[in-house]
Amino acid sequence: DAGVTQSPTHLIKTRGQQVTLRCSPKSGHDTVSWYQQALGQGPQFIFQYYEEEERQRGNFPDRFSGHQFPNYSSELNVNALLLGDSALYLCASSLGRGHTGELFFGEGSRLTVL
Amino acid sequence: LAKTTQPISMDSYEGQEVNITCSHNNIATNDYITWYQQFPSQGPRFIIQGYKTKVTNEVASLFIPADRKSSTLSLPRVSLSDTAVYYCLVGDRVSGGYQKVTFGTGTKLQVIP
Repeated sequence: DAGVTQSPTHLIKTRGQQVTLRCSPKSGHDTVSWYQQALGQGPQFIFQYYEEEERQRGNFPDRFSGHQFPNYSSELNVNALLLGDSALYLCASSLGRGHTGELFFGEGSRLTVL
Repeated sequence: LAKTTQPISMDSYEGQEVNITCSHNNIATNDYITWYQQFPSQGPRFIIQGYKTKVTNEVASLFIPADRKSSTLSLPRVSLSDTAVYYCLVGDRVSGGYQKVTFGTGTKLQVIP
């Protein structure tokens, strides 16, 4: 049973560029949430997707957008990259209904903005 | 969303029991308390969740007093591999609010040989 998988694992971009990160949820899960984790900090909630719609959003600008596909996989897009966007981006999956409150996290995508 | 407060760091010797306390004074009626463990460059991993009294699983125990304004994660007989950051989260499991919870800075546990 595959867990949450994320790609790419590492990437380097320059300021102003755009990046797309991908996530496949754990088998059987239909909800995907994205988190940003800066060095030495805890994960910060970006947004959550369920039934291909953004359901909840944290305090992040519109430069951060996402998408969920019919197979429940998801993408996180960040436009006009800033140096401060350098972080570990984590994807977590869960069950939107009948959930237990347990989030399953992937290993993350490490983004470096130069 | 209920705010949580936990110690920034703790040290413990191998084989000892470790108790990490989290304060959540404004916890709401529908909120559950969840603890996660995170190793460097990995995603957090669920440890345990509870609503009230005591919950125990194969890796930890969670103690929640009657007023639910705090909770204590207990790790029995820690080993070097338990060195990690531990996060306490409070969120509404019913409406999915637990998913919107921000993790905070957590407690960095260092296990000493």
